[in-house]
Amino acid sequence: NAGVTQTPKFRVLKTGQSMTLLCAQDMNHEYMYWYRQDPGMGLRLIHYSVGEGTTAKGEVPDGYNVSRLKKQNFLLGLESAAPSQTSVYFCASSSNSMRQSFYEQYFGPGTRLTVT
Amino acid sequence: AQSVTQLDSHVSVSEGTPVLLRCNYSSSYSPSLFWYVQHPNKGLQLLLKYTSAATLVKGINGFEAEFKKSETSFHLTKPSAHMSDAAEYFCVVSVILTGNQFYFGTGTSLTVIP
Repeated sequence: NAGVTQTPKFRVLKTGQSMTLLCAQDMNHEYMYWYRQDPGMGLRLIHYSVGEGTTAKGEVPDGYNVSRLKKQNFLLGLESAAPSQTSVYFCASSSNSMRQSFYEQYFGPGTRLTVT
Repeated sequence: AQSVTQLDSHVSVSEGTPVLLRCNYSSSYSPSLFWYVQHPNKGLQLLLKYTSAATLVKGINGFEAEFKKSETSFHLTKPSAHMSDAAEYFCVVSVILTGNQFYFGTGTSLTVIP
């Protein structure tokens, strides 16, 4: 049981390049999330998904796109990277169970992205 | 709507002294509350959570937090700080009924002085 995994762990992009970050979870969770973490700002939600084939915008969605073609995978895309997207990106998943004992988020290890 | 305010961006304590990290929340519904810890260059680990059971919640590594509805607070405490506690701590609020969105505070950086 690997939990939540993210690839790659590190990446350096030039301005204007594109890339896709992959998040995978093996806990059969319905909900998945992408956050970015910047110093002094906590984690901010970029996009999230409440199930296979569905996505929704979070707090800071501009410049990012996502897809959830399979329940276990949640992809985050940058079509044209900008220096302002330099950040650490975290993926998370959670169960849709209403049982409170199951109610929490599980996080991946993060991807450190630098855009020059 | 839900939100979280962590009242201190930095806290510094001496090893062996108590730790208090403060968190206030705002929620239109009965909230679930969480504390996560992040060590340098690591991911986030759940310390403890409150989900409307006992108001005093015990977590890992000797941490605990008390849910106080009248004060809308969920402060994190530990009786005696250890060097390994030095990390960033995040308070998080969520409401099960409103689509599993989790709202993070901006974090408190804990320094432990030897």
